[in-house]
Amino acid sequence: AQKVTQAQTEISVVEKEDVTLDCVYETRDTTYYLFWYKQPPSGELVFLIRRNSFDEQNEISGRYSWNFQKSTSSFNFTITASQVVDSAVYFCALSEFPQGGSEKLVFGKGTKLTVNP
Amino acid sequence: DSGVTQTPKHLITATGQRVTLRCSPRSGDLSVYWYQQSLDQGLQFLIQYYNGEERAKGNILERFSAQQFPDLHSELNLSSLELGDSALYFCASSVGGGSVNTDTQYFGPGTRLTVL
Repeated sequence: AQKVTQAQTEISVVEKEDVTLDCVYETRDTTYYLFWYKQPPSGELVFLIRRNSFDEQNEISGRYSWNFQKSTSSFNFTITASQVVDSAVYFCALSEFPQGGSEKLVFGKGTKLTVNP
Repeated sequence: DSGVTQTPKHLITATGQRVTLRCSPRSGDLSVYWYQQSLDQGLQFLIQYYNGEERAKGNILERFSAQQFPDLHSELNLSSLELGDSALYFCASSVGGGSVNTDTQYFGPGTRLTVL
């Protein structure tokens, strides 16, 4: 079963629009971490945020904000007043702790965001 | 710049060949992770090393192997290459080895492997 679902494959917006990227996850663990990474056209993966399962407070960092809701197993990412430089593929990831093993990141398929001028 | 370095940036080779990808973690990080990103499979975890020892395995083929050296750099060896091995290979590093108090994985720029 897919553990991290990013239902939006591609989103296209016009500059200055707000955009929300959805992420729904599935886990049986009570302790887990959620992440968002950005992959710009240059290809590298850039860390954006980490959130643990015990902290449901929303977080804001500049134009970025994240909404974590355990009740719906969602960790959505909103970009306010989008800019062309925000164009990238955004990945949501889940970190689990399998018994006897180490944590590993399970990634969603990614959402490709295009911000047009 | 994450502080994780990977070489080479690009690699073009033929089927049946063997290649080695290299990764240097951020200063102070003990764990190295390898991921494969392909169009059909997305981003997949391959293997993790912590302080020289294998810690976790993911969807890594038997034709692939990795190791972490005493200076903590890591190499991913891919042998008997097939067309389907063409992908972007990422290395990531983190401070710890994986525990409840997990830390963030920082990714390198990737090595793009093309098998012809």
